[in-house]
Amino acid sequence: DGGITQSPKYLFRKEGQNVTLSCEQNLNHDAMYWYRQDPGQGLRLIYYSQIVNDFQKGDIAEGYSVSREKKESFPLTVTSAQKNPTAFYLCASSPRDRGTTNPGLKSGNTIYFGEGSWLTVV
Amino acid sequence: AQSVAQPEDQVNVAEGNPLTVKCTYSVSGNPYLFWYVQYPNRGLQFLLKYITGDNLVKGSYGFEAEFNKSQTSFHLKKPSALVSDSALYFCAVRDRDRGSTLGRLYFGRGTQLTVWP
Repeated sequence: DGGITQSPKYLFRKEGQNVTLSCEQNLNHDAMYWYRQDPGQGLRLIYYSQIVNDFQKGDIAEGYSVSREKKESFPLTVTSAQKNPTAFYLCASSPRDRGTTNPGLKSGNTIYFGEGSWLTVV
Repeated sequence: AQSVAQPEDQVNVAEGNPLTVKCTYSVSGNPYLFWYVQYPNRGLQFLLKYITGDNLVKGSYGFEAEFNKSQTSFHLKKPSALVSDSALYFCAVRDRDRGSTLGRLYFGRGTQLTVWP
C-alpha cells in the first residue's frame, strides 16, 4: 500500500544522546515535512524539503537536523542541543505543482501525514 | 503573517445533532484552506480543502466546510454527529500568493470534539 511510514513509534532518549526518527514515503511525493506536536500548541514546523538534496528550516529548527539524500526518505535527528525534545513527531509529504513558473510555491496540493513517533527523554 | 485561529478548545455535541467546529484565518493573499482530523496517538487525516470555486466544500465522512471570504472563516460542519466523530480537529491555511511560503501549512491549535451518545 502507498503511504508514509514513520519509525519507531516509540523512542526513548537519554540526556546528551542524539536520536534519529525515520520517515519513508512511497507516494512519489517531492516535498516532505517534519512537524512537532505538543499538547495545546498545535503543530509546529521543524524542517521541510521541496526536492532531493535541499531543505529549509521551519519555525523551530534549533536542536534538530535533517537530510534528504533520496526522494523517499527524510530522516530527522534530534540532537542533544534540543533541550525539550519530548513530543509527538509527525512526518508529512505532498506532491509539487508541475508546469508552473514556481513549482510547489503556489500549491493547493494536500499534505499527507504519517502515523507519528513519540519521543521521550528518560 | 499567516495565522489560523480555532476559538474553541472543546466542542461537545449529542449524537444525531449538527456540529460546527470554527476556524478563522489571516493571510496576506488568497488562501488555500484545509481541515484535518486526528484520533488519539495517530497521525493527521485529511478531511477536505478549499481551493477555488464553490464556497461549500464536501469531504470525507459526511463533513463539509463553508468558505466565507468576507468573514475570513472556514467552519467545519456535519448535519448529524456520530460518537465516532470524537477526535481532535485541525484547521490549516496556505497562502497561495506568497511564493516564500514554499508550500507550507499553518495550523490552528486544534479543537477537541466530543460526541456523546
